Amino acid sequence: GAVVSQHPSWVICKSGTSVKIECRSLDFQATTMFWYRQFPKQSLMLMATSNEGSKATYEQGVEKDKFLINHASLTLSTLTVTSAHPEDSSFYICSAYVAGESTDTQYFGPGTRLTVL
Amino acid sequence: LAKTTQPISMDSYEGQEVNITCSHNNIATNDYITWYQQFPSQGPRFIIQGYKTKVTNEVASLFIPADRKSSTLSLPRVSLSDTAVYYCLVGENGGFKTIFGAGTRLFVKA
Repeated sequence: GAVVSQHPSWVICKSGTSVKIECRSLDFQATTMFWYRQFPKQSLMLMATSNEGSKATYEQGVEKDKFLINHASLTLSTLTVTSAHPEDSSFYICSAYVAGESTDTQYFGPGTRLTVL
Repeated sequence: LAKTTQPISMDSYEGQEVNITCSHNNIATNDYITWYQQFPSQGPRFIIQGYKTKVTNEVASLFIPADRKSSTLSLPRVSLSDTAVYYCLVGENGGFKTIFGAGTRLFVKA
């Protein structure tokens, strides 16, 4: 099946620093990837849609200058949390959109736990 | 995007069959229904997907009535390891730009 990886799996950083999270599709190409954020005991919240070779589309309320998304290749999308603050501490999950023969599906990465001190 | 409604939580015992129903009254003609399972601190895992009637795979069955306004995920003979949150998603093309609802927290007891 389709495998999506994320790196790092967890990261701790100081307030004010920037953190980059990578999302890779390991055995397939994905023209579209999604980034989600999940707080404890809550559901996943879609942050943005990442399209290879073009600018990401952000959901309402998500600051595009704070959460920089780059989708430079068909197997890699990156999310950079700039000038991170404690309120940015969360579980960040990416997914890759796969178009099938009859239906399409999202395959999710394992997530990245970000803790900002 | 169609909104989904699921029970917040369910309890079951090992070996029982568990049925989780999801309501999606505003489902569109092109929408598929997809179910995901999520364990703590992990990304969601695809379980099953369907458009109408019944779909079965090695881990679950998905029942969809003719009006498609609801769907039921059936997990046969659950085990402790099935304790997780289950999300029902409705979206065009199987989930493009899907919006997650609250999900159902299933707790399987010994």
